This record gives sequence, structure tokens and C-alpha cells, in this order.
Amino acid sequence: ILNVEQSPQSLHVQEGDSTNFTCSFPSSNFYALHWYRWETAKSPEALFVMTLNGDEKKKGRISATLNTKEGYSYLYIKGSQPEDSATYLCAFASGSARQLTFGSGTQLTVLP
Amino acid sequence: GAGVSQTPSNKVTEKGKYVELRCDPISGHTALYWYRQSLGQGPEFLIYFQGTGAADDSGLPNDRFFAVRPEGSVSTLKIQRTERGDSAVYLCASSLHQPTDTQYFGPGTRLTVL
Repeated sequence: ILNVEQSPQSLHVQEGDSTNFTCSFPSSNFYALHWYRWETAKSPEALFVMTLNGDEKKKGRISATLNTKEGYSYLYIKGSQPEDSATYLCAFASGSARQLTFGSGTQLTVLP
Repeated sequence: GAGVSQTPSNKVTEKGKYVELRCDPISGHTALYWYRQSLGQGPEFLIYFQGTGAADDSGLPNDRFFAVRPEGSVSTLKIQRTERGDSAVYLCASSLHQPTDTQYFGPGTRLTVL
């Protein structure tokens, strides 16, 4: 059983604050790490697919880093806006299974 | 273009009944996935199709769950003799070729078993 953990479980920030959260995954047999954003009543939306140690990806105010040797990824949001409120999910794919194993998510609420 | 669609959006059924959940993937995507998401958890993998065949069904919890994709496009998840513990959001996703490609999700079907 692959263990993918996300922290914190939930987070409240003020509009304009920058924030970050963590995804931890097994450091052995790494293949890929995905980040998704899931807003209430909508479909999960893909943010990034990361495959190389040291990868950094950016999409607007959201960026992510990857450390496969120690088994973690950080997601950063700069200048949070209320529309960033969502659950952020990471998902790990191992070299053998290739199926995505999801973490439980970080629920972000940005207060106006 | 059209995204992944799922029907119905909500399904309420009684314990012991049979249900079918439908997924229409993005046209041209050969890979299709079913996940189940329970409250407070991330999506849990159920089954993965490559074309018409189930490439990995290791996530199906028991033999009451079955899925088909007869023409390599639309897929149906079938649950027999539903139990209250089957209540969850069932998500479908598709990707171009393989699980590690970006997966595009549908809005889910919320199943409630009374």
C-alpha cells in the first residue's frame, strides 16, 4: 500500500497572503507526481505533472517543486485570492504500478 | 472541446439494488479510469481501461463491482447488491494514453445507498 500524505489537512488564509502546503510520498520507485485542484461542485482540474527530481512548475500564481530523493513536493500560491479556495490534491505514480494514489488533500479557504 | 461527462450526477438507491454509472471520456483518449471518493479522503483507484480491456482492476473492492468499456469509449460501472458503505462520489477520468499522462476528470456521480 502506497502512503501519500498531505499537510495541512485544511488551511484558512487572508486574501493577498501567500501560502504553501506539502505532499509526501514514497521516495523509492518514483515515476510521477500530479497536483490537482478540486473546487466544490466542479471536476478536479489538473495543475501539474512532475517527473524529474528538482522540477519546478508554474501556472500563474501557483507553483510547485519536487524532491524525489526525499519524497516530497510543495505547492505554493502567491497572493491568494478567494477563487483559489478549493481542495488541492496530490497523486503519486510508482514505477511499477503507474496508477495514481491520491493524498487526502489540503482544503484551502481564502477569506476576503 | 467537450470534457469528461458522467451520468447521473446523483443517484439514490436502496440497499440491495443494482446501479449503473456511466462515463463519457474525452474523444480520442484511450485510457479511462474509475475512482471512488469518500468523505474526507482523496480519490481511490478502482479500475483502469486501455481501449476496451481492463488493464488494471486491482482497486475494485469485491465482486459486486464490475465495469465495462465495450467499444473503447463510453464506460459503465456496475454495482450489484448495493450496500450502505458503497455511498460515495464515483469519479471517472480519461487520459490520452497512460495513467501518468494528465488525467481529465468528470464531475462525478454522487451515490447514496439508503
